Amino acid sequence: DIVMTQSPDSLAVSLGERATINCKSSQSVLYSSNNKNYLAWYQRKPGQPPKLLIYWASTRESGVPDRFSGSGSGTDFTLTISSLQAEDVAVYYCQQYYSTPPTFGPGTKVDI
Amino acid sequence: QVQLQESGPGLVKPSETLSLTCTVSGGSISGYYWSWIRQPPGKGLEWIGYIYYSGSTNYNPSLKSRVTISVDTSKHQFSLKMTSVTAADTAVYFCVRHTATVSWTFDYWGQGSQVTVSS
Repeated sequence: DIVMTQSPDSLAVSLGERATINCKSSQSVLYSSNNKNYLAWYQRKPGQPPKLLIYWASTRESGVPDRFSGSGSGTDFTLTISSLQAEDVAVYYCQQYYSTPPTFGPGTKVDI
Repeated sequence: QVQLQESGPGLVKPSETLSLTCTVSGGSISGYYWSWIRQPPGKGLEWIGYIYYSGSTNYNPSLKSRVTISVDTSKHQFSLKMTSVTAADTAVYFCVRHTATVSWTFDYWGQGSQVTVSS
């Protein structure tokens, strides 16, 4: 299985400031035939199930605010919240879908 | 708006079988893959397995020997059975829909069902 790690475990960011979350996979999730990274990001707010934010490492799901952006390739990825809002307090997970079983990172908790 | 709702016992005894059902409303069960994902307390998310609406399945090798997922399209439901449970199977269990265009991502989730394994 591909092991996903995230850093930091948690971070506190002031309202309006940038939050950066890192995700690393134990092997590349870049599929050479289509040059796509099989990496997604989810947001889980307290008391709610996870919500898909980003797939293909950088494509925002419909309706996701543009302050959320994903970047990276191969084994190293980043989720950036450009200007943190109060409603962004959540745990964020990365997920690889390059190979089965799909696996998730342990999560990064973002607080104000 | 597609909605998923898990149902089933919240408490299961060790060595017994965990059974959960997911009811899909607001959309068709046909044409999609449907999975179960769980999250033990203090741990990350773990994919358990999927079923296609036609009935084909794929399971996490780590759980394959104990898991069966089935579908009843007439009832708009799919179900999870996990045998020989232990305390390690205590978790919140989510039923989820695979995204149509990126099939191994998950765009709709149930609220989750807490299952505790204890005597």
